[in-house]
Amino acid sequence: DVVMTQSPLSLPVTLGQPASISCRSSQSLVYSDGNTYLIWFQQRPGQSPRRLIYKVSNRDSGVPDRFSGSGSGTDFTLKISRVEAEDVGVYYCMQGTHWPRTFGQGTKVEIK
Amino acid sequence: EVQLVESGGGLVQPGRSLRLSCTASGFTFGDCPMSWFRQAPGKGLEWVAFIRSKGFGGTTEYAASVKGRFTISRDDSKSIAYLQMNSLKTDDTGVYHCSRNYGFDYWGQGTLVTVSS
Repeated sequence: DVVMTQSPLSLPVTLGQPASISCRSSQSLVYSDGNTYLIWFQQRPGQSPRRLIYKVSNRDSGVPDRFSGSGSGTDFTLKISRVEAEDVGVYYCMQGTHWPRTFGQGTKVEIK
Repeated sequence: EVQLVESGGGLVQPGRSLRLSCTASGFTFGDCPMSWFRQAPGKGLEWVAFIRSKGFGGTTEYAASVKGRFTISRDDSKSIAYLQMNSLKTDDTGVYHCSRNYGFDYWGQGTLVTVSS
């Protein structure tokens, strides 16, 4: 199975400051069609997961532009340019290239 | 508007069975592959099962932890995806979510399954 490793697992951030979460996969996530199926989800307390970013860097409709995704191959990053109070929650990366689909452990973002 | 509504969760004893439903609306369900996920209390997300659309054979994939015990199926006439869960274990406790396999863009609110004696 592809192991997805996120860091850090806990991220205290000051409001208005940037935040960055790393996600590394144990194998390349480039699929045979040339796409890289790396997704970022946000899960606010008590809520279902919400997709933020798909195929590494494509932001979903309604997602603030302070969120951005980047990376390639096995190394990916989610950045929040200026953290706001509503960004508190757990962030997961997930790979959709290989079976079984696998998630990172989750990164808990909290306000300092 | 795309909506996914899970139902069928509850308290069940180890070794027993439960069937979850994911009722979809707002899109052409028959064309859409679907997945089930779960989240144990206080833990991370885990993919559980996947079913292709009938147009792609309706074939399925399972996580190793549920293979042979869980069965995913679909009724396109009712726009429902099912997860039949047999031989339940305490480790199967958690909130179960369904999602469209179009990049997992929409998720249901989840249904809680508690396996306990």
